[in-house]
Amino acid sequence: DQQVKQNSPSLSVQEGRISILNCDYTNSMFDYFLWYKKYPAEGPTFLISISSIKDKNEDGRFTVFLNKSAKHLSLHIVPSQPGDSAVYFCAASAGYSGGSNYKLTFGKGTLLTVNP
Amino acid sequence: DTGVSQDPRHKITKRGQNVTFRCDPISEHNRLYWYRQTLGQGPEFLTYFQNEAQLEKSRLLSDRFSAERPKGSFSTLEIQRTEQGDSAMYLCASSLTFTSGGYNEQFFGPGTRLTVL
Repeated sequence: DQQVKQNSPSLSVQEGRISILNCDYTNSMFDYFLWYKKYPAEGPTFLISISSIKDKNEDGRFTVFLNKSAKHLSLHIVPSQPGDSAVYFCAASAGYSGGSNYKLTFGKGTLLTVNP
Repeated sequence: DTGVSQDPRHKITKRGQNVTFRCDPISEHNRLYWYRQTLGQGPEFLTYFQNEAQLEKSRLLSDRFSAERPKGSFSTLEIQRTEQGDSAMYLCASSLTFTSGGYNEQFFGPGTRLTVL
């Protein structure tokens, strides 16, 4: 059973527009969420994260929103650039408040293509 | 380069052979993780170490898999009697640990792609 779901396998946007990538989770024990970006033949690269005590975290062009009641988070990229084209993984962890904050559970990823 | 490194990057082997992969974490990181990624899936947790102690193993890690981190630095992942279903990308990651809780991002290496013929 997939505990972290990314229901859109792919997304295509125009350069300069907003990219919105979505992620849903089912495990209510998850309290820390991360987005990773992955280029072909490379390992995932950490992008941005958010703990469950917040509903928004912003870092430059990247913003992550968390809706705990809906068990939903989203990553907004504004403005999108061709170099953002990659697979984006949503990941979640339990135990932020102490203890077993070790294992990441990943979604299947969304392939973002930003067209010039 | 001070990131996580993995060796080899690619490994092709015949079914039934043993293979061993190596991971060198970021030097000051005391936690090391192994994940496996198959086509169309996200990485799946296999096991992790805090220093030299292996603290958790996933049910995905069958008896044919063994991981070590003998001196709390680099780690090896061995697969014995490989099967075609073992074909995947094997990712290593490392992180720091705060004793008071909180979360430290995991930094991933480039992975070892295993193909079992």
